[in-house]
Amino acid sequence: AQSVTQLGSHVSVSEGALVLLRCNYSSSVPPYLFWYVQYPNQGLQLLLKYTSAATLVKGINGFEAEFKKSETSFHLTKPSAHMSDAAEYFCAVSGGATNKLIFGTGTLLAVQP
Amino acid sequence: SQTIHQWPATLVQPVGSPLSLECTVEGTSNPNLYWYRQAAGRGLQLLFYSVGIGQISSEVPQNLSASRPQDRQFILSSKKLLLSDSGFYLCAWRVTGTGGIGELFFGEGSRLTVL
Repeated sequence: AQSVTQLGSHVSVSEGALVLLRCNYSSSVPPYLFWYVQYPNQGLQLLLKYTSAATLVKGINGFEAEFKKSETSFHLTKPSAHMSDAAEYFCAVSGGATNKLIFGTGTLLAVQP
Repeated sequence: SQTIHQWPATLVQPVGSPLSLECTVEGTSNPNLYWYRQAAGRGLQLLFYSVGIGQISSEVPQNLSASRPQDRQFILSSKKLLLSDSGFYLCAWRVTGTGGIGELFFGEGSRLTVL
């Protein structure tokens, strides 16, 4: 079985500060990992994904994430927060030949001026 | 390019009434299709997925059902809604044959309120 745990349902940062959103995974097969962003009353948009090609993955809007197998983590970071980054962020895991994508409970990011 | 459409965008229904949410995908063939429900503080819960016409896998026992009458059409239904069915329903698709490596592409969602 596969699962992800997102630590911190709410994170607040100041504009220009580092953004760090945490995700830990559990998987019995080599995982594929994803970060999605959701703006209010909209669907989810892919930020980035890890597919074992490189442990540091760069995505859209200046976000990146690092796969750390020893820590079973895939934390999302951005060096400098923008007001437009305020949204909900979801980590997700898949793996092997499965057709399913399993999501975490999400982290709501607030950016203070 | 591929697009995904969901409707209706919002729906207010009384308890005990039926439900039909529809999702269609354009620009691709034989996609994997998914229905997720999002409730506050609970993330996205996978309800159903389909790898082909008439092939439905149910993830959570409930009073909802799904059908795939055509290759790019996915319908979520209920005969009698419960209060607990309220939520934000998201349809998604994935390129077939990619296994776990392919990402999902989401529709804009349908907000259901059961009163």
